[in-house]
Amino acid sequence: DAGVIQSPRHEVTEMGQEVTLRCKPISGHNSLFWYRQTMMRGLELLIYFNNNVPIDDSGMPEDRFSAKMPNASFSTLKIQPSEPRDSAVYFCASSSNSGRVTDTQYFGPGTRLTVL
Amino acid sequence: GENVEQHPSTLSVQEGDSAVIKCTYSDSASNYFPWYKQELGKRPQLIIDIRSNVGEKKDQRIAVTLNKTAKHFSLHITETQPEDSAVYFCAGGTSGGYQKVTFGTGTKLQVIP
Repeated sequence: DAGVIQSPRHEVTEMGQEVTLRCKPISGHNSLFWYRQTMMRGLELLIYFNNNVPIDDSGMPEDRFSAKMPNASFSTLKIQPSEPRDSAVYFCASSSNSGRVTDTQYFGPGTRLTVL
Repeated sequence: GENVEQHPSTLSVQEGDSAVIKCTYSDSASNYFPWYKQELGKRPQLIIDIRSNVGEKKDQRIAVTLNKTAKHFSLHITETQPEDSAVYFCAGGTSGGYQKVTFGTGTKLQVIP
């Protein structure tokens, strides 16, 4: 398995532009997580999907952020409009909770976002 | 919600010495405590985890201990090697149907050759 796939790996954009980050979870995993990592705030959970349904979006900073999971193999995180303070590394992670004990979250390589 | 605190924020040890990282959690319902290692520029990767039904777990040079009464858990790395240098994150949460875990702020471990 290729693991969790994220695209793009790097994104540089200007303030006010729309940014879309993409994630393909590991096949068979039914839980998907979006995290944001910064030096100041560490690793923050933004939103958690289970079986394609958003379960907890309490970490989404504000209305400028939105996330979707239209099917089991694809999710997007959108920022519109983007601001310089959104600059961070955004990780997607997936795991399986299909009755098995393991809860390991497997992280993707991350998308480094820079908003100028 | 869960609050996980992690100490120290940075740790330097000589190669071959042991390193200990400590975390505390607030939610008594938490029953799952993973530890992740993140090398510079890389993704976090699980290195070991422990559940609330055991007090200790070991995997080669890495061990974790859990004290449910005191709500703290620790990572122990023995015979440290330069490749152990990384940022280590503890996390706490619930396993099973709802898998949210809260991460600590990380410990940057430097192993000096």
